[in-house]
Amino acid sequence: GAGVSQSPSNKVTEKGKDVELRCDPISGHTALYWYRQSLGQGLEFLIYFQGNSAPDKSGLPSDRFSAERTGGSVSTLTIQRTQQEDSAVYLCASSPWRVSYNEQFFGPGTRLTVL
Amino acid sequence: EDKVVQSPLSLVVHEGDTVTLNCSYEVTNFRSLLWYKQEKKAPTFLFMLTSSGIEKKSGRLSSILDKKELFSILNITATQTGDSAIYLCAVEAGGRTGANSKLTFGKGITLSVRP
Repeated sequence: GAGVSQSPSNKVTEKGKDVELRCDPISGHTALYWYRQSLGQGLEFLIYFQGNSAPDKSGLPSDRFSAERTGGSVSTLTIQRTQQEDSAVYLCASSPWRVSYNEQFFGPGTRLTVL
Repeated sequence: EDKVVQSPLSLVVHEGDTVTLNCSYEVTNFRSLLWYKQEKKAPTFLFMLTSSGIEKKSGRLSSILDKKELFSILNITATQTGDSAIYLCAVEAGGRTGANSKLTFGKGITLSVRP
């Protein structure tokens, strides 16, 4: 596609449920990043994938959060047993090379609301 | 822990005014500083700065970095209503060249340009 796409655009869930957020990066981009943006906060790094290397998971806030990237393309961020503090906009970004932040393209995000 | 602080948090100006947005940082192993404009959800890249004292310019926007005093400014001259957005500053730090560096974002500056 022309840009990074994410789905769903909005997700409302009940506390305790699991959710899956999807990111389709730009074709050919080898690096993929997940960020979270809570109300009034800056972007918070969650996880980074680069090609077939082991992902950098150092930003995941708890073991309820996990992500995978299948076939070096689509990525899914999973949040288990959601809590109200998980409510945020989850942004995905991709870039063509490893750690090229000036070529990082962001998707439109998924707004997650946990009731 | 790496820290990025932006000021002011919000700003309201009238069309035609000039604004200066500030970003200060404390990080280990600085690599670059980036500015993004965020309208709606997805941030878009504006500038990447790596060297002190060299101004980057794009139209009415310009930015400069001071690595001694650890800050950057983003200037917008002759502001227009279309400049209304959140302006994010992020610092890339840590890791070896080209690998495993991280972006730490500030909370952003909300700029409102009134007609």
